[in-house]
Amino acid sequence: AQSVTQLGSHVSVSEGALVLLRCNYSSSVPPYLFWYVQYPNQGLQLLLKYLSGSTLVKGINGFEAEFKKSETSFHLTKPSAHMSDAAEFLCAVFTGTASKLTFGTGTRLQVTL
Amino acid sequence: EAEVAQSPRYKITEKSQAVAFWCDPISGHATLYWYRQILGQGPELLVQFQDESVVDDSQLPKDRFSAERLKGVDSTLKIQPAELGDSAMYLCASSLGQGQPQHFGDGTRLSIL
Repeated sequence: AQSVTQLGSHVSVSEGALVLLRCNYSSSVPPYLFWYVQYPNQGLQLLLKYLSGSTLVKGINGFEAEFKKSETSFHLTKPSAHMSDAAEFLCAVFTGTASKLTFGTGTRLQVTL
Repeated sequence: EAEVAQSPRYKITEKSQAVAFWCDPISGHATLYWYRQILGQGPELLVQFQDESVVDDSQLPKDRFSAERLKGVDSTLKIQPAELGDSAMYLCASSLGQGQPQHFGDGTRLSIL
């Protein structure tokens, strides 16, 4: 079975500081990995995805994530936080075995002045 | 604005009543998904369609929930009768195929009184 663990349900950073949101997955087969962002009362917007190839993936709004197979991780980073980055971030895994997307419980990012 | 259209955006109803949600996916997307997202959790897949056929409804409470995609385009999710525990955000998503990035609508927030 596949699963996703997001450490830290709430993360608070100062504007301009590094953003690091953690995601670890469990899968018996090579996974596809995704990060989505969700603003209040809205649906999910795809930030970035890892399907294969380069393990460092760049997404929208300056976010990037690195797939580390040995650590079963896909952490999301952004060098400098903006106030507009405040939202819920969801990590998800897809495998051909399960044939469905499994989400973590999400991390709420707060950006302070 | 999301490219997947959902309506209504908000629905408030009393328990034991019937509710229905509608979703129009991105044109050309063969795969359509309905998710339920309880506050503070990640989305959970309820049902997945490939064209007009159900490919996964293992997590759909079939005694009260039903879903259809008669012409393989738009879809309806129904709950009858609604229970207090059904209060959640109901999200629709579509993709070109399994394993491809899913694009989400803005969801329907359901409140059962």
